[in-house]
Amino acid sequence: DTAVSQTPKYLVTQMGNDKSIKCEQNLGHDTMYWYKQDSKKFLKIMFSYNNKELIINETVPNRFSPKSPDKAHLNLHINSLELGDSAVYFCASSQGQANNSPLHFGNGTRLTVT
Amino acid sequence: AQSVSQHNHHVILSEAASLELGCNYSYGGTVNLFWYVQYPGQHLQLLLKYFSGDPLVKGIKGFEAEFIKSKFSFNLRKPSVQWSDTAEYFCAVRTDSWGKLQFGAGTQVVVTP
Repeated sequence: DTAVSQTPKYLVTQMGNDKSIKCEQNLGHDTMYWYKQDSKKFLKIMFSYNNKELIINETVPNRFSPKSPDKAHLNLHINSLELGDSAVYFCASSQGQANNSPLHFGNGTRLTVT
Repeated sequence: AQSVSQHNHHVILSEAASLELGCNYSYGGTVNLFWYVQYPGQHLQLLLKYFSGDPLVKGIKGFEAEFIKSKFSFNLRKPSVQWSDTAEYFCAVRTDSWGKLQFGAGTQVVVTP
């Protein structure tokens, strides 16, 4: 069983559209994250939720709206997509405040905006 | 602002050569340190981590890293690389209790047969 699973794996869409990426983890972790990896492979955190509560919200356009229906799921909805949103989006999870809990990453969603 | 610096952006070496990737961070408090590897087209996988104790940590696939607190460094090493080690390597630092990781820019390692 995949520990952190994201869907879809690939997403190609036109500018101005709205799209969602879903993430689920079966590790029993209480904290989930969204990271963005740009074309230069640079990874930057976007959001983090702990037990369905938003705890990290980096400087991200408000076109991006995360939603966590329960602690095993963290979805990312993007409105009015722009060319600059093209990237690979990684979901991750960890056991929140446990200092010895590394992040486990999903396989990524490659978003291409045309 | 806290930062993580990886000294090499691209490294090309032959099989059986030794590898050392540098990582420095700027944060004066307690840190947790990680190295992740990303094989072509795949997700990030944890190679090794340091939380406390012995500053020399051993990870998977023959990798090890040494935490030198006085130098704010956490360099990754492998004595003899294989072609299958071709990948992007990321150093990461955690400074808060919520698991937020700050990543370095990554080092692309290419191992030639």
